[in-house]
This record gives sequence, C-alpha cells and structure tokens, in this order.
Amino acid sequence: GAVVSQHPSWVICKSGTSVKIECRSLDFQATTMFWYRQFPKQSLMLMATSNEGSKATYEQGVEKDKFLINHASLTLSTLTVTSAHPEDSSFYICSASPTGGVGELFFGEGSRLTVL
Amino acid sequence: QKEVEQNSGPLSVPEGAIASLNCTYSDRGSQSFFWYRQYSGKSPELIMFIYSNGDKEDGRFTAQLNKASQYVSLLIRDSQPSDSATYLCAVKRGTYKYIFGTGTRLKVLA
Repeated sequence: GAVVSQHPSWVICKSGTSVKIECRSLDFQATTMFWYRQFPKQSLMLMATSNEGSKATYEQGVEKDKFLINHASLTLSTLTVTSAHPEDSSFYICSASPTGGVGELFFGEGSRLTVL
Repeated sequence: QKEVEQNSGPLSVPEGAIASLNCTYSDRGSQSFFWYRQYSGKSPELIMFIYSNGDKEDGRFTAQLNKASQYVSLLIRDSQPSDSATYLCAVKRGTYKYIFGTGTRLKVLA
C-alpha cells in the first residue's frame, strides 16, 4: 500500500511552546490530507481536513488558531500546535488518500505529543 | 443513532477460530467501506476495502457488504494471537468524508 510518513514520532515540550508535526505522502500525491487526534483507549477524532493550496476545514470545537494547518504541496501537510498546554498531550495522526485512487485512506505512524 | 456502529468488545476467540467483526452504518448514500487494524499505541493500518455487495477475500480476511441491510463485516480465518488488536470500520461518503466507528477490540487466545 501507499506510504505516509509522519515526523516526529514523539515529542516532549514545555508548556507554552509550539510544536510542528509533518505529514508526507512518499509515493503518491494527495490533494487532501486529514489530521486526527486520539486519546488513550478512545476512538479517532477528526480535527481538520487539509486541502493543498487552500485553507483547512476544521471540525466543530477545534480551535483553528491553536492548531495551525498548512498544506503547501501535494505531498506535505503540517500541523503546528501553538502555545501547547498539558491538555494538548495526545496522539496525533495524519492520513491521506491518493489523488485519483479508489478512496483508500492511508495513515502516518502518528506523533505522540507530551506537554510538560 | 451513530453514523457507524461497532460493538466495542472485547471479542475473544480461540486461536485458529474464525473471528467475525460487524459494522452497521446509517447513511444509504455511503459508497465505500474500509477495515483498519490498530494495535495499541500505533496508528491504523488498512486491511481491506469493499464497495460492491457481496464478499471480497484477501488471504485470511474476507470483507462482506450488504447495502440493503446497511452492514459490513470482516471475517478473519485461522485467527492468530498477532491478530489481537482493535478493528475499525470506516465508511466513505462523498469525495472527502470518512466516518469511523469506535472499533471492536479483538482478543485471540493462544
């Protein structure tokens, strides 16, 4: 299957700092990528849909000024958690579907964020 | 009613048995259906997708779709302890809308 790479896999930061997570589709182009967060033993929660060359679409309740998304190219989307706080600690996962494919969604490895 | 429903489990089956995982969905306009496996602490990985009524087989896995009854299932034959994970059902609507179930936890007992 197609490969989606996410970096970093885990990050620890101090409260008040910003953290950037990268999501790359390695062997396909993706007009649209998705960002999820997942708390322990809970289901995936869609945060936003990232569209290449345009603004992201955020789900209800997700602060767009806190979770900045940039989809600068057909293979790269980034999520920046600004002024992170301990409650932002979570597992963040990106996913992408190959443009022109049958709609399969491939996930990155995930990024575990711990805010101290 | 949730848009995609799955029994949270755990579903326990002995090694070598068939594990049957079920998923129902509410929107008849749903087009494609996906099964993902998620190990604890890891991200989901795609097992299979199906979009036509009937069965689709891939190795030990068989996906079954019944659009009239609005359910999709995943059968795992010859279950192994390594199959123990949470299985997520996902439904695609429109171009970029994916709805995930909350997952069924499967335990395969050695």
